[in-house]
Amino acid sequence: QVQLVESGGGVVQPGSSLRVSCAASGFTFSSYGMHWVRQAPGKGLEWVALIWSNGSKKYYGDSVKGRFTISRDNSKNMLNLQMNNLRAEDTAVYYCARWAEDNNWFDPWGQGTLVTVSS
Amino acid sequence: QTVVTQEPSFSVSPGGTVTLTCGLSSGSVSTNYYPSWYQQTPGQAPRTLIYNTKIRSSGVPDRFSGSILGNKAALTITGAQTDDESDYYCVLSMGSNWVFGGGTKLTVL
Repeated sequence: QVQLVESGGGVVQPGSSLRVSCAASGFTFSSYGMHWVRQAPGKGLEWVALIWSNGSKKYYGDSVKGRFTISRDNSKNMLNLQMNNLRAEDTAVYYCARWAEDNNWFDPWGQGTLVTVSS
Repeated sequence: QTVVTQEPSFSVSPGGTVTLTCGLSSGSVSTNYYPSWYQQTPGQAPRTLIYNTKIRSSGVPDRFSGSILGNKAALTITGAQTDDESDYYCVLSMGSNWVFGGGTKLTVL
């Protein structure tokens, strides 16, 4: 079945970097765009970034533009999010989600990985 | 900056009908925004309910339906059940970015 599994979360200090990843299985990964969405503790969902299926285009939310980089390795069925210059407000559960471009929706979602930025 | 609006909370009695809405701070929601709806219970990942305004995701009960009502997207639950008590999020596609609403906390009692 289609499955997305995030990893790489942890506790880091403000100003530091961290990379989270999402391992995909059960579908042709190279045929789908992929999103990152985050959720701060007790808050709502916030879209973070999208990468096209072939990696040719990338889009970012305003709050992470210039600090975060989305990438993918289609040979390994892996999606990545490199997060630099982390701030306390980046503390969140980070979800990856497949982008169904035909109807422009997010499905499925991974279970998420928690990133905590704290001194 | 585009803001997507949702009711912060709503309450419905078991067996009742409730309509949650998804609007724009400026302008009207249309099918061009590909509104989709997601259900989330505490500690769990979101689950897709409705996409492209009104298409029900696989396995979603038919008591959930999507539509455009006036100038907003809408999610209607007909015959609410206690396990529908969750947070509900809509998201709108703006072309090269996506904006989630703040979510609606639905209580069924």
